[in-house]
Amino acid sequence: DVKVTQSSRYLVKRTGEKVFLECVQDMDHENMFWYRQDPGLGLRLIYFSYDVKMKEKGDIPEGYSVSREKKERFSLILESASTNQTSMYLCASSSTSLPRWTDTQYFGPGTRLTVL
Amino acid sequence: AQRVTQPEKLLSVFKGAPVELKCNYSYSGSPELFWYVQYSRQRLQLLLRHISRESIKGFTADLNKGETSFHLKKPFAQEEDSAMYYCALKGSWDSGYALNFGKGTSLLVTP
Repeated sequence: DVKVTQSSRYLVKRTGEKVFLECVQDMDHENMFWYRQDPGLGLRLIYFSYDVKMKEKGDIPEGYSVSREKKERFSLILESASTNQTSMYLCASSSTSLPRWTDTQYFGPGTRLTVL
Repeated sequence: AQRVTQPEKLLSVFKGAPVELKCNYSYSGSPELFWYVQYSRQRLQLLLRHISRESIKGFTADLNKGETSFHLKKPFAQEEDSAMYYCALKGSWDSGYALNFGKGTSLLVTP
């Protein structure tokens, strides 16, 4: 069974703290993604990675950075957390080597981050 | 520009009634579209993809390139269909094939 796991389900941090969100997938997928999910805004792409040590900005990268040192792990970093980064963060992974009719992104359970 | 529009934030229907969740897209190439569903306290999961022409849990969706639509339909809604539904458009290679999501439609099926 496909598995994408995230290190925390709930996290509470203070403004200015450095925050690390971890994501691990066990499917040997090349692509990994970080989205944030907000009511009324849907999911928005923060960063993605298509290979180890490779990273690309998504639609809303400001205030975030990422790290991918191993194929199975993709970390999202909030260098200095702010209240407007309070959100649900979803990690996902996908493979580019699967046939199109089976292609999909697999999502983790999400981390609900509250910044006070 | 790639864009997905879901015009309804909330859709409420009675059990047994037909349901249609609307999705329109803009994309210059050949689109690949998906519907994802998120049940309460569960992770986001794929419901169906247009390329497979499948029917999952009684839901179907047809890609209409002329109207640039990919509406999700079910003839008889069930209470367990209550969830958040997202339409998504697969991006191109330079986005890592990331998904562009609509803002979502919350479906509520009442008895």
